[in-house]
Formats: sequence, structure tokens, C-alpha cells
Amino acid sequence: GNSVTQMEGPVTLSEEAFLTINCTYTATGYPSLFWYVQYPGEGLQLLLKATKADDKGSNKGFEATYRKETTSFHLEKGSVQVSDSAVYFCALRGRDTGRRALTFGSGTRLQVQP
Amino acid sequence: EAGVTQFPSHSVIEKGQTVTLRCDPISGHDNLYWYRRVMGKEIKFLLHFVKESKQDESGMPNNRFLAERTGGTYSTLKVQPAELEDSGVYFCASSQDLGSSSYNEQFFGPGTRLTVL
Repeated sequence: GNSVTQMEGPVTLSEEAFLTINCTYTATGYPSLFWYVQYPGEGLQLLLKATKADDKGSNKGFEATYRKETTSFHLEKGSVQVSDSAVYFCALRGRDTGRRALTFGSGTRLQVQP
Repeated sequence: EAGVTQFPSHSVIEKGQTVTLRCDPISGHDNLYWYRRVMGKEIKFLLHFVKESKQDESGMPNNRFLAERTGGTYSTLKVQPAELEDSGVYFCASSQDLGSSSYNEQFFGPGTRLTVL
């Protein structure tokens, strides 16, 4: 079955530091890949997505590239801010068009200190 | 436009009791999903409605869980009787139907935190 593995947190960084959150996946075929973010007290929000190999998703300064050869979709940001403190979830959706469920990783909490 | 709303935000019950969670999707969204995150682990899919019909209920853990979506609008998820391992955060999401070839973004609610004592 499908699965997503992401690095455990919490990740604690100083403001303006470089961020990487690792995510690898297992799936049949070529899934679509996503990063969701959950800010305190809010629901999950789609941060970025990539639907095919070598696609790069980007939003709000965050980027992730779909790497089929390493089955990875690592999240990066060049300079984090305190407002980026949140829980980040990597997720995939398989190619089975009859099934739209998302498969999530366990989440990585990011804490950015001023 | 209102987002996905969930009620209650928190619920604390004793083992053996019944709890009903409610989800109001974004207006016009035919697809409604329930997910659960237990003990800080991964968020797991429970089931998917298309309008009032259950499209995929492969993630429902057992028959103590009953989901309904009367009239294809709001949905309820009832746990009866609740067990300790049911504690967690229950998320609801909704999406439009743009066809199977497109990604229909799922918009999530803030979740209901359920604690079973």
C-alpha cells in the first residue's frame, strides 16, 4: 500500500535559517505529492503540490521537487520566519482515479525562534 | 466564503459513552472526507462521501464508527461505544468535483479533539 515517511520533529531553527524537512514515499505508479501546513488552532492548508516527476511545487517561499528516482519530496525554504512555526505534513494521492483519499506522513513540527 | 467547520472543537467523554462529531463542508462541495490523527501519528483516512453516498469507507476502523451525510450536506461521525484508542483529532475535508483527471483540492476543517477517559 501507499505510505509516507517524514522526519520527526520538532525542528527548532532561528529566524532566517535554512529549512529542510525530508519526505519519502512508497506508492505504486506515480502519485501526486503534497505538502500541507497546520498553523496553531487552524485546519490543514495546502502549501504546495507536484503531480509528476521533476515538477517543482512552490508557495510562500517554500519549494519541493518531485524526485521519482529517490521517491522523495523534501520541503525547503531559504529563510524561515517566526510566522512559519507550524506542523508540516507530507502527503500523496495515488493514481487510482476511483480513490481520492490522501495518505499522510506523521507531521513535523517546526519552531522558529526570533 | 465560509470554510469547513467542525463541531465540537473538543470533546471529553468516558469509555463506553457515545459521541457525535459534525462537519459542515464548504457550500457546493460534493466530496466530503473524514480523517483521524491519533497520538501525534500520521493522519489516516476514514471515509469519503460523494453527496450522500459513501464512495470509499475502507479506512473505517470498526463497526463502532458510523458516518452519515443526510441530504448530501453536513456529515456526522458517531462513535458508539467509545474506547480509549479512539482518542485523537478528527478532521473533515471537502472538495469540489472537477473530474477524476484533476486534483480536487481538499479543504480541511480545524478538527475535533476527542479524548476518551
